[in-house]
Amino acid sequence: KAGVTQTPRYLIKTRGQQVTLSCSPISGHRSVSWYQQTPGQGLQFLFEYFSETQRNKGNFPGRFSGRQFSNSRSEMNVSTLELGDSALYLCASTLDRGNYGYTFGSGTRLTVV
Amino acid sequence: KQEVTQIPAALSVPEGENLVLNCSFTDSAIYNLQWFRQDPGKGLTSLLLIQSSQREQTSGRLNASLDKSSGRSTLYIAASQPGDSATYLCAGKRSGTYKYIFGTGTRLKVLA
Repeated sequence: KAGVTQTPRYLIKTRGQQVTLSCSPISGHRSVSWYQQTPGQGLQFLFEYFSETQRNKGNFPGRFSGRQFSNSRSEMNVSTLELGDSALYLCASTLDRGNYGYTFGSGTRLTVV
Repeated sequence: KQEVTQIPAALSVPEGENLVLNCSFTDSAIYNLQWFRQDPGKGLTSLLLIQSSQREQTSGRLNASLDKSSGRSTLYIAASQPGDSATYLCAGKRSGTYKYIFGTGTRLKVLA
């Protein structure tokens, strides 16, 4: 059974550019959540999608956006990149909101220069 | 606002020791609790999930328990090995919410 797949694994971008990260959940999982991890802030919740709808959003500026497709794959986009956006971006999938745990992908390491 | 504290922040022990990692939530209304390990630069690997009707879970040398009345969880690692060296994170979810709130982690080093 394939796990959660995140692409790309590493990215280097310049300030002001935009970036799109991809996450393919475990087959059958309909909920995808995104987290940002930095040494100073730890794991911070970005947003969660279920059946192509954003159900919850964290405290991030509007430059951070996402979407989910009908096959449950999800993308997140960051526009006008800032140096502080450098982080490990992790996505996690789960069956639904209920009594289920997360399965995480390996993450995308974004470096903004 | 829900906050999660993990104690200790870092721990270094000789191989073979039994150890306990602690996690506490400011809001004790936790529905699910999950423990993860993270190796440097990698994603999170799920270790144990305590669901709403459960109080503890065991897997091999690992045992996790959750006291919902106090909002505290412990992860017990028996007979620690150098391969257990990693950061351990707890995460809790309240009923009716869609997200897990994470602790800041305990960085464990097991010395051979």
